[in-house]
Amino acid sequence: NAGVTQTPKFQVLKTGQSMTLQCAQDMNHNSMYWYRQDPGMGLRLIYYSASEGTTDKGEVPNGYNVSRLNKREFSLRLESAAPSQTSVYFCASRGSPGTGELFFGEGSRLTVL
Amino acid sequence: QKEVEQNSGPLSVPEGAIASLNCTYSDRGSQSFFWYRQYSGKSPELIMSIYSNGDKEDGRFTAQLNKASQYVSLLIRDSQPSDSATYLCAVYNAGNMLTFGGGTRLMVKP
Repeated sequence: NAGVTQTPKFQVLKTGQSMTLQCAQDMNHNSMYWYRQDPGMGLRLIYYSASEGTTDKGEVPNGYNVSRLNKREFSLRLESAAPSQTSVYFCASRGSPGTGELFFGEGSRLTVL
Repeated sequence: QKEVEQNSGPLSVPEGAIASLNCTYSDRGSQSFFWYRQYSGKSPELIMSIYSNGDKEDGRFTAQLNKASQYVSLLIRDSQPSDSATYLCAVYNAGNMLTFGGGTRLMVKP
């Protein structure tokens, strides 16, 4: 059982380049999330999708776009990367609405030069 | 003011002692509270959830919630070196977003 799978695990970009982080879950969860984690900042929500076909902004959405491709997949796109987007990105999924447990992927470490 | 506040630490305790981790939150409408543990270089994992005032115990872990004071804590009894990690407090707000605190780094010394 793979759980939540993120790709790539590591990426180095130059300022202005674009890229997409992919996330897929095999737990049949409705809700999916993208967080970024910076030292001392905890996890900050970028975007989330409560169900297939819906997406909503979180705390720090600027500079990002998302696509909920189907129930399994939720991608995060950086259209024009900036050094401030250097971070570790976590995708997560959540089971039934009554539980708060998030299941996280292993993270994607992104460096923007 | 951040919605969920934690002391960043590090909190250092000797092996076998009780570690006490604290968290305050700003949204009075919050109903669900969680503690996640994150080892260095790894993803967070859920260790405790609490929804009503009082204490909830699970093995060596006890979560405490006081909604009137907007305060949630985690006690770890008989702390072990393997408990050394960053502990993240998380709260669902009225908008149904799970917001995390900055985390407290715990170090348990043998």
